[in-house]
Amino acid sequence: GDSVTQMEGPVTLSEEAFLTINCTYTATGYPSLFWYVQYPGEGLQLLLKATKADDKGSNKGFEATYRKETTSFHLEKGSVQVSDSAVYFCALSDRDSGGSNYKLTFGKGTLLTVNP
Amino acid sequence: DAGVTQSPTHLIKTRGQQVTLRCSPISGHKSVSWYQQVLGQGPQFIFQYYEKEERGRGNFPDRFSARQFPNYSSELNVNALLLGDSALYLCASSFLARVIGTEAFFGQGTRLTVV
Repeated sequence: GDSVTQMEGPVTLSEEAFLTINCTYTATGYPSLFWYVQYPGEGLQLLLKATKADDKGSNKGFEATYRKETTSFHLEKGSVQVSDSAVYFCALSDRDSGGSNYKLTFGKGTLLTVNP
Repeated sequence: DAGVTQSPTHLIKTRGQQVTLRCSPISGHKSVSWYQQVLGQGPQFIFQYYEKEERGRGNFPDRFSARQFPNYSSELNVNALLLGDSALYLCASSFLARVIGTEAFFGQGTRLTVV
């Protein structure tokens, strides 16, 4: 079945440091890939997405590129801020037998703490 | 506009009891999905409803059931609660049934503790 593996946390960085959170996936078809962020006490928010190979999703300075050859979707940011402290989830959605995507499969999440 | 609202925010139940969780989607959204997030894990898909019909079910026992009402709000019911059912239950709404081409918006969740 589908699965998502992301790097274990927690990750602790200083402000303005470079961030990489690794994510790899297993899927039978051609999934769409997502990064969600969960700030303390809040629900999940979509950060960025990519729907086909070589697509790059970007938002708020974060980027991730859909790499089919390595089945990866690593999240990067060039300069993190204290306000980026949150839990980050990598997720995929694959087509079901009926040809539609209706559910998200999530990784375990990576806690990021950014210190001033 | 109001986002996805879930009630209650916190709940404590005893083993063997039954619980009902509620979700109101964003206005105009016809799809509601339920996810279970155990502490330290990512959310796991439980159900999706679209236009009041079940469109998908995850690998959960029959103790879990759900329904969607004509106003597109939804309830998740869990019977015969076990300690392992303690988790954050998330509701997500979207305009379409599929994830692609539409965005799933999540509520803040209901924290269920089974003692």
